[in-house]
Amino acid sequence: AQTVTQSQPEMSVQEAETVTLSCTYDTSESDYYLFWYKQPPSRQMILVIRQEAYKQQNATENRFSVNFQKAAKSFSLKISDSQLGDAAMYFCAYRSARDSNYQLIWGAGTKLIIKP
Amino acid sequence: NAGVMQNPRHLVRRRGQEARLRCSPMKGHSHVYWYRQLPEEGLKFMVYLQKENIIDESGMPKERFSAEFPKEGPSILRIQQVVRGDSAAYFCASSPEPYTSTDTQYFGPGTRLTVL
Repeated sequence: AQTVTQSQPEMSVQEAETVTLSCTYDTSESDYYLFWYKQPPSRQMILVIRQEAYKQQNATENRFSVNFQKAAKSFSLKISDSQLGDAAMYFCAYRSARDSNYQLIWGAGTKLIIKP
Repeated sequence: NAGVMQNPRHLVRRRGQEARLRCSPMKGHSHVYWYRQLPEEGLKFMVYLQKENIIDESGMPKERFSAEFPKEGPSILRIQQVVRGDSAAYFCASSPEPYTSTDTQYFGPGTRLTVL
């Protein structure tokens, strides 16, 4: 069974600086999707970024980028120029690309604190 | 384009009562997923539905929990005879098609169930 591990329960960063959140996963599959979701205090789950495993190029979305290391099964999220609005819980999630398996498998989350 | 709608946002029930949670998917989405989030944890898959069909309920407790997605109207997650352990945030997500490269699941704001 697939698992997702986020080893950092909490991270803090100074406003305007860069922070990297770690995520590792375990799977025997070769084709899958990886996601980072953000959950602010409002509890809404918001998609931040998505990566297809077959793509070698790392996904980027404005200030958010990932470092996808398929061989190492690592999928870290880098937030550049951190802003106060980035404060939230960040969840890493995995989904198989097999037709019969569409569940999102979630890590336990990392709480990101932004220091003004 | 309205996002995924869930109501109520907060629901308080006494032990033994029934809880009904509603989810209206995004316009154009015909696939609905329910997840449960216990405090300080990531989300756990419960059930996946298409219109009038339950596709996968492997994450649903065998007793007291049921889900439906009728031809007309929202998807309903029903919990009968609630117990304190049912207290959690329940998230609904929707997607257009699960087996395509654009099958990202978009989440509603969640319903926070508190059982007294």
